[in-house]
Amino acid sequence: DVKVTQSSRYLVKRTGEKVFLECVQDMDHENMFWYRQDPGLGLRLIYFSYDVKMKEKGDIPEGYSVSREKKERFSLILESASTNQTSMYLCASSFPGTVTRTDTQYFGPGTRLTVL
Amino acid sequence: EDKVVQSPLSLVVHEGDTVTLNCSYEVTNFRSLLWYKQEKKAPTFLFMLTSSGIEKKSGRLSSILDKKELFSILNITATQTGDSAVYLCARQGAGNQFYFGTGTSLTVIP
Repeated sequence: DVKVTQSSRYLVKRTGEKVFLECVQDMDHENMFWYRQDPGLGLRLIYFSYDVKMKEKGDIPEGYSVSREKKERFSLILESASTNQTSMYLCASSFPGTVTRTDTQYFGPGTRLTVL
Repeated sequence: EDKVVQSPLSLVVHEGDTVTLNCSYEVTNFRSLLWYKQEKKAPTFLFMLTSSGIEKKSGRLSSILDKKELFSILNITATQTGDSAVYLCARQGAGNQFYFGTGTSLTVIP
């Protein structure tokens, strides 16, 4: 079974703090994703990475950065947390897919971040 | 715009009812259409659809894709309280990106 783990289930931080959210997958997936989920807005893509040290901005990258130093680990960084970054953060991973095959994303359990 | 629209936004039914959830998308590039179920945790995968007209079935759940009309439906028959969840639809683009709808919240009352 694919396993995607996230470092914390619940996190409370103060405005201005630097926040690290860690995600680890054990299936040798090339692709990894960070989403945030807010009521009424569904899942929105923050960043994704298709290989080590490679990253692409998603729909809402402002205020976030990412790091992918190893294939299995994808970190989301909030350089200076703000209250509007209070949200549920979901990490996911997948194989890249080929011309003849598409793949699903596997999600981690999520981190509920509250910024006070 | 890579928009995925789900309807209805929320639904309340009684146990035993049949429900149909809708998902429409705008095509720029299309690889697959996925359905997820989300309870009080991360989404879990239900179906992946790539071809029109071929129904995928898993127990009381089934789904079908219409690539000409750009929509998919998820059917749940004989609903149970354990089906209460948010159901998410996502379109997978060529660049391995996934575009999610806002979800349909289903509540099944005993």
